[in-house]
Amino acid sequence: EDQVTQSPEALRLQEGESSSLNCSYTVSGLRGLFWYRQDPGKGPEFLFTLYSAGEEKEKERLKATLTKKESFLHITAPKPEDSATYLCAVQAGSNYKLTFGKGTLLTVNP
Amino acid sequence: DSGVTQTPKHLITATGQRVTLRCSPRSGDLSVYWYQQSLDQGLQFLIQYYNGEERAKGNILERFSAQQFPDLHSELNLSSLELGDSALYFCASSVGGQGAYEQYFGPGTRLTVT
Repeated sequence: EDQVTQSPEALRLQEGESSSLNCSYTVSGLRGLFWYRQDPGKGPEFLFTLYSAGEEKEKERLKATLTKKESFLHITAPKPEDSATYLCAVQAGSNYKLTFGKGTLLTVNP
Repeated sequence: DSGVTQTPKHLITATGQRVTLRCSPRSGDLSVYWYQQSLDQGLQFLIQYYNGEERAKGNILERFSAQQFPDLHSELNLSSLELGDSALYFCASSVGGQGAYEQYFGPGTRLTVT
């Protein structure tokens, strides 16, 4: 069974204080790893797809990387508006569903 | 705005009742997925339809059913509702049914069972 574990569960940063979120996964036949951002009471918002180890993607202050066992979401010089829950999900094998981790709740204080 | 629409936004009903949640995918997307999000379980996959046909099933209860219509909109039917069914229900869509396509989520329907 596909498993996704995210850490830490919660992270509090000061504005401008860079950090990383971790997503470790155990799957058979990774098709893709996805990062989403979710604001309270809203639907997850797609950020990145990573397909193979070594791949990196960037968007504004966010950079996602992938190895064979984990993915990192690096946040550089975060702003209060980056506060949200960040979700990692995998798609593997013959399944096209997404298996999600529990998420990391990021709070950026001004 | 993801382009995926869901109605209603909120639904309050009593135990034992039946409700229908509706989803319209993004223009051009053929796959629709349903997910349930509760505080303790996180986002859980329920079921996928691709171009009108059921493609994959997750931990969907027998009391729940879904379908995708010829115009590609989808409905999730929940019956004999229990207190534990209270959750956010999300619909997502993607362009294809095979391959690692990103899924775009709707705003969700918050179901409260009293």
